[in-house]
Amino acid sequence: QSVLTQPPSASGTPGQRVTISCSGSSSNIGSNTVNWYQQLPGTAPKLLIYSNNQRPSGVPNRFSGSKSGTSASLAISGLQSEDEADYYCAAWDDSLSGYVFGTGTKVTVL
Amino acid sequence: QVQLVQSGAEVKKPGASVKVSCKASGYTFTDYHMHWVRQAPGQGLEWMGRINPNSGGTKYAQKFQGRVTMTRDTSIGTAYMEVSRLRPDDTAVYYCARDKDSSSSPDFDFWGQGTLVTASS
Repeated sequence: QSVLTQPPSASGTPGQRVTISCSGSSSNIGSNTVNWYQQLPGTAPKLLIYSNNQRPSGVPNRFSGSKSGTSASLAISGLQSEDEADYYCAAWDDSLSGYVFGTGTKVTVL
Repeated sequence: QVQLVQSGAEVKKPGASVKVSCKASGYTFTDYHMHWVRQAPGQGLEWMGRINPNSGGTKYAQKFQGRVTMTRDTSIGTAYMEVSRLRPDDTAVYYCARDKDSSSSPDFDFWGQGTLVTASS
């Protein structure tokens, strides 16, 4: 069972803005930075956001991250068909002394 | 360019062991921690642990302590992850992933292609 909770699904039409939440606790999100990964069907995950709100080189600025207290969010603005994928938040957990992933959110472009 | 290339799919019987390799290229192998993450069919991502290729030091998720061993061979830039006493619920795709900063808050900027391990009688 993951200690980071995400909604199982989210959807939107092309061009819309979609937001995914990630709820944790003081031992993970509350005290460490949050990363987001995108996993396209049948492929390895890809780092989308690191250190709460930083985009690696090559990631479109349509993707943005934020963190407040023990929760974090990923926003996708100007949704595109190629954004259809699973999205996972992740953070280090001090209590578990390990890295934890969120439950994952499947984004569907209608 | 950075590449992580993993070994091929494995089929093992319950109770056996499996060893997956991850060959790194395009960067200095000993400069970045290597982590292992697995994903059971249709399920989410699960962190297993990491190895510091420079020192050989390891840190395992509590769930896998005593059953997983991570090693490395710096002469060929390869990390290994071995799971012993396989159970059917170990069936998963196993990924190696490079830690971008090798810091206390890991983030994985490059991933291997994944290795499917099937534990079935």
